[in-house]
Amino acid sequence: EDQVTQSPEALRLQEGESSSLNCSYTVSGLRGLFWYRQDPGKGPEFLFTLYSAGEEKEKERLKATLTKKESFLHITAPKPEDSATYLCAVRKAAGNKLTFGGGTRVLVKP
Amino acid sequence: DGGITQSPKYLFRKEGQNVTLSCEQNLNHDAMYWYRQDPGQGLRLIYYSQIVNDFQKGDIAEGYSVSREKKESFPLTVTSAQKNPTAFYLCASRDRGGTGELFFGEGSRLTVL
Repeated sequence: EDQVTQSPEALRLQEGESSSLNCSYTVSGLRGLFWYRQDPGKGPEFLFTLYSAGEEKEKERLKATLTKKESFLHITAPKPEDSATYLCAVRKAAGNKLTFGGGTRVLVKP
Repeated sequence: DGGITQSPKYLFRKEGQNVTLSCEQNLNHDAMYWYRQDPGQGLRLIYYSQIVNDFQKGDIAEGYSVSREKKESFPLTVTSAQKNPTAFYLCASRDRGGTGELFFGEGSRLTVL
């Protein structure tokens, strides 16, 4: 059974304090690992897709990396507007659905 | 603008009543999905559909039903058999020929009184 575990569950940061979120996964043949951002009461917003170990993608203050067992979302010099829940999901080979982790709630204080 | 529209945004129902949540997309995507999200938790798959007139159960399908009569529409019915229906419901779609990511609507929050 596919499993996705995100840690920590919650993260409080000071503005400018860089940190990393972890997404550990178990899947039979990874077809893609996805990162989403979700604001309270809203639908998730797509950030990145990673396909193979060693791959990295960046968008503004966010950088996602992938290994064979986990992915990291690095937040560099965060701002209060980066406060959100970050969700990780995996899609397995020959699969048509995404399995999500429980998310990491990030709060960036000014 | 292309996107996914869910309605209503907020819905209240009494115990024992069925309720239908609407999901419409104009992205020309073949695949559509329904997820449930409980407070402080991730998303759990209820049902999904790859093409019109076909759909599959997800991980928590009991107490729910769907139909896919049109490519643009994938309504979800929460039946009285669903024991704990209060939740945030999210509809999504995917381009089967694309890079695999899901595009989500803004969600519908159902509260059972």
